[in-house]
Amino acid sequence: NAGVTQTPKFQVLKTGQSMTLQCAQDMNHEYMSWYRQDPGMGLRLIHYSVGAGITDQGEVPNGYNVSRSTTEDFPLRLLSAAPSQTSVYFCATGQGDSPLHFGNGTRLTVT
Amino acid sequence: RKEVEQDPGPFNVPEGATVAFNCTYSNSASQSFFWYRQDCRKEPKLLMSVYSSGNEDGRFTAQLNRASQYISLLIRDSKLSDSATYLCAVNPSGTYKYIFGTGTRLKVLA
Repeated sequence: NAGVTQTPKFQVLKTGQSMTLQCAQDMNHEYMSWYRQDPGMGLRLIHYSVGAGITDQGEVPNGYNVSRSTTEDFPLRLLSAAPSQTSVYFCATGQGDSPLHFGNGTRLTVT
Repeated sequence: RKEVEQDPGPFNVPEGATVAFNCTYSNSASQSFFWYRQDCRKEPKLLMSVYSSGNEDGRFTAQLNRASQYISLLIRDSKLSDSATYLCAVNPSGTYKYIFGTGTRLKVLA
């Protein structure tokens, strides 16, 4: 039972490069979201989706794009990586009023 | 004022001690509340949901005080393995836009 799967686990990028962080879930949850976690800042919501074809911005959306073409997948795209995007990224899913389930994270370093 | 606030700690307690954390929230319309545990460099994992009537799971007790707008987590008989960061999460108005506190770090000492 995979739950929420994030890939890659680690990534190093140079400033200006682009990449996609993958998130896949097999729990048929309607809600999917991306958070970043930085020391002293806690978890901050980047983008979220309440169903296929529907996305919306969270607290810190600048520099990131998302799409939700299927229920299962919610990729996060960094268009032009910046050092300020060095962080740990978590994908989280949920359904109704249930608590969020997190993937095991992607550690991104931008040099 | 932040929407969700926690004392960052660290709380250093001896094994067997009882420790309590609070988490305050600013939006009185908040509907769902949770406590998560996060180990170093790992993802947050659900510890327990917080219900209006309070709930208990073994050594852990969670309570909600709507009048004062805070939730609490009580850990009895602390174990070394309880050492972690404890995050509170609040769903402000049933919108799925959960907001997390920055976490409270607990160290249980032998």
